[in-house]
Amino acid sequence: NAGVMQNPRHLVRRRGQEARLRCSPMKGHSHVYWYRQLPEEGLKFMVYLQKENIIDESGMPKERFSAEFPKEGPSILRIQQVVRGDSAAYFCASSPRVSPEHYGYTFGSGTRLTVV
Amino acid sequence: AQKITQTQPGMFVQEKEAVTLDCTYDTSDQSYGLFWYKQPSSGEMIFLIYQGSYDEQNATEGRYSLNFQKARKSANLVISASQLGDSAMYFCAMREAYTDKLIFGTGTRLQVFP
Repeated sequence: NAGVMQNPRHLVRRRGQEARLRCSPMKGHSHVYWYRQLPEEGLKFMVYLQKENIIDESGMPKERFSAEFPKEGPSILRIQQVVRGDSAAYFCASSPRVSPEHYGYTFGSGTRLTVV
Repeated sequence: AQKITQTQPGMFVQEKEAVTLDCTYDTSDQSYGLFWYKQPSSGEMIFLIYQGSYDEQNATEGRYSLNFQKARKSANLVISASQLGDSAMYFCAMREAYTDKLIFGTGTRLQVFP
């Protein structure tokens, strides 16, 4: 019974390159959320997706960042032309339906992006 | 705007003692949910406990309990009988009403010493 799988765990990119972060939700979960954690800070919401739909992207930077959750395959968070300020831990969470309650959201282990 | 405040950047507790981690929240909504997560040094986010705004009783999960004081807008986490493995960052979070976003506090680093 695999949990939320994120890969890679660690990613190093040079400034200007593209970063692709993958998230496979728990089996049976159709809702995916991406959060970013800057060093020594709490997590900040970025985007909420269902299969083939972006439901809420109010936390996504306007430029260079995009997210998708196709009908088949994992959810992808894509960062184009990375800059040093993009260095952070990116977490994916999944839930089986809207407004999960006492069982909470299930988080992946995160992808640590380092931009050099 | 909705906000979570954790005023304790760091806490120390001796093994087997109880510790309370503070969390206050700000919202004008009547319906909301409060969560606590643990983040060990390995980095993953581990769900600990949940309290719904309409729940009349404080939530408990094993050694974790949530001291929910609605009028004071506080949702403190109590860890009883601390263990060395409890050393980690602890985050309080709130789910906005009618959305699925979680708003996180800045966290409290708990260190348990022998």
